[in-house]
Amino acid sequence: GQQVMQIPQYQHVQEGEDFTTYCNSSTTLSNIQWYKQRPGGHPVFLIQLVKSGEVKKQKRLTFQFGEAKKNSSLHITATQTTDVGTYFCAGDYNFNKFYFGSGTKLNVKP
Amino acid sequence: EAQVTQNPRYLITVTGKKLTVTCSQNMNHEYMSWYRQDPGLGLRQIYYSMNVEVTDKGDVPEGYKVSRKEKRNFPLILESPSPNQTSLYFCASSLSSGVGAQYFGPGTRLLVL
Repeated sequence: GQQVMQIPQYQHVQEGEDFTTYCNSSTTLSNIQWYKQRPGGHPVFLIQLVKSGEVKKQKRLTFQFGEAKKNSSLHITATQTTDVGTYFCAGDYNFNKFYFGSGTKLNVKP
Repeated sequence: EAQVTQNPRYLITVTGKKLTVTCSQNMNHEYMSWYRQDPGLGLRQIYYSMNVEVTDKGDVPEGYKVSRKEKRNFPLILESPSPNQTSLYFCASSLSSGVGAQYFGPGTRLLVL
């Protein structure tokens, strides 16, 4: 079946360092969404990417969608302790069924 | 306040005892979905609904049933729960299928003994 692979599984950074998580699909995606889940919380929507090669920024967060629409990344510049949580990508192949990556758990040391 | 609500939040049950987890949204969203979250596996989609009376299987539908009789409600039914259905369950809704943010409920933690 369809699958979205996400790496790394864990990332420990010092506050102020950058962080990147990557998602990859073997087949072309219709779109990809990114979510953040704080410990004990529920996933919270960050962004949706639809177009090939799309790049979107939200303050210190930069999201990219690959040219072939098979991969995506989330980059956080100068991490803060408030960035702690697990980041998930969710790939959509036909605009109705979502496949989540396994998540990257980010820990930020002050 | 725009929200997705789930009940119960915590549930301990025994194998074979039918249960229903309710989900309700007040945003007039067309698309609703159920996910289960297990350590190391991320979220896996169980069932989704693109509108009233329209439901379809997600990635892991075995052992679950759903119904969508009203736009706001999307209950998840476990007719004969088994221990491998012990998990954290999330309901989510979005304006339309595959478009825009999915809003997640607070989650239901289920333990099947």
